[in-house]
Amino acid sequence: AQSVAQPEDQVNVAEGNPLTVKCTYSVSGNPYLFWYVQYPNRGLQFLLKYITGDNLVKGSYGFEAEFNKSQTSFHLKKPSALVSDSALYFCAVRDMKGGSYIPTFGRGTSLIVHP
Amino acid sequence: NAGVTQTPKFQVLKTGQSMTLQCAQDMNHEYMSWYRQDPGMGLRLIHYSVGAGITDQGEVPNGYNVSRSTTEDFPLRLLSAAPSQTSVYFCASSRPGQAEGHEQYFGPGTRLTVT
Repeated sequence: AQSVAQPEDQVNVAEGNPLTVKCTYSVSGNPYLFWYVQYPNRGLQFLLKYITGDNLVKGSYGFEAEFNKSQTSFHLKKPSALVSDSALYFCAVRDMKGGSYIPTFGRGTSLIVHP
Repeated sequence: NAGVTQTPKFQVLKTGQSMTLQCAQDMNHEYMSWYRQDPGMGLRLIHYSVGAGITDQGEVPNGYNVSRSTTEDFPLRLLSAAPSQTSVYFCASSRPGQAEGHEQYFGPGTRLTVT
């Protein structure tokens, strides 16, 4: 079975400060990991993914995420937050083992960047 | 490419009415999915399809039917609407393959209210 947890419902950060949105996962085999962003009244947009290789993955809009196998985590980070980064962020995981075709999504974390 | 399109954008139904939410994609993606998004619940998978003629249930399938007669279209049918089906519905598609890592493309959503 595959599952993902986003332990924070909301993250508040001041503009210009670094931000981190946390994600932990559980899979039987190796994971495919994803981050998506949802702006108000819009569908989800893909930000970045980890399949294999380098543990630090770079994505759109200056975001990056670090895969940590020992801690089963895939936290989303950005060195300097912008007010326009305020949105709902979803982590998702798909287990490479077990024939799972569709990823499982976390509950989402609302990121609020204050001017 | 139009990507993933959904119609209608908004719909109000009375309890017991039926309707079909339309989803289409023009990217020749094999995999398509339907999710519902509710506050605090994240995205929950309703049904999915791995190709024309093949569908399967997700986490919350009760009260919904799907079919996949073509690669492009994946309609979601509400047989007898209930207030508990008030939600925002998202359709997504993806193309399987190791290099793709299975990232999904989402439609803009359908906001459904059942009174």
